[in-house]
Amino acid sequence: AQKITQTQPGMFVQEKEAVTLDCTYDTSDPSYGLFWYKQPSSGEMIFLIYQGSYDQQNATEGRYSLNFQKARKSANLVISASQLGDSAMYFCAMREGVRGAGGTSYGKLTFGQGTILTVHP
Amino acid sequence: GAVVSQHPSWVICKSGTSVKIECRSLDFQATTMFWYRQFPKQSLMLMATSNEGSKATYEQGVEKDKFLINHASLTLSTLTVTSAHPEDSSFYICSARDQRGLSTEAFFGQGTRLTVV
Repeated sequence: AQKITQTQPGMFVQEKEAVTLDCTYDTSDPSYGLFWYKQPSSGEMIFLIYQGSYDQQNATEGRYSLNFQKARKSANLVISASQLGDSAMYFCAMREGVRGAGGTSYGKLTFGQGTILTVHP
Repeated sequence: GAVVSQHPSWVICKSGTSVKIECRSLDFQATTMFWYRQFPKQSLMLMATSNEGSKATYEQGVEKDKFLINHASLTLSTLTVTSAHPEDSSFYICSARDQRGLSTEAFFGQGTRLTVV
């Protein structure tokens, strides 16, 4: 089963407007973290924002905010005041709970399919 | 923030040859590094988890003998694509997490675009 799902292959937004990129996840682990990364055409992965499963408030980082709805298992990214430079591929990712010594899943990120965001002038 | 350097950023090689990609954590120690593979406009797929001083753990379906991973020090992991073929052409990217502090972020290298001709 897909652990991280991004249902929007592509999104378009007008410059200066807000846009929401969807992400749903599936885990039975009570301890997990959710990430959003931006990948421009150069390929680098740029960390945007993080939400821990026990965090009471939604994470915010500048123009980025994460709409965390734990019961619905969704972690949507909201970009306010879109800029042309925001055009890129965006990935939602999840890291599940830390295992014990020797656990190979420690720190491993599972990525969604990605959403290509295009900002129009 | 922490820096992960990956080298080379791009490489073209002939079919049948081997290619080595390096991933270095520049200002922190990384006991664990991760290697991902990405095809154009697709997601990042984890290939293996590299553990310092021990054997790498490979994901299901990844050929251990084809993708050799060595994590000889706390700051360096290498991925060697052996006997490369055109179907191995892809974008390979590593990541590492600073184990010392409370940082939750995984830091990524710049990635390596491999083209096998």
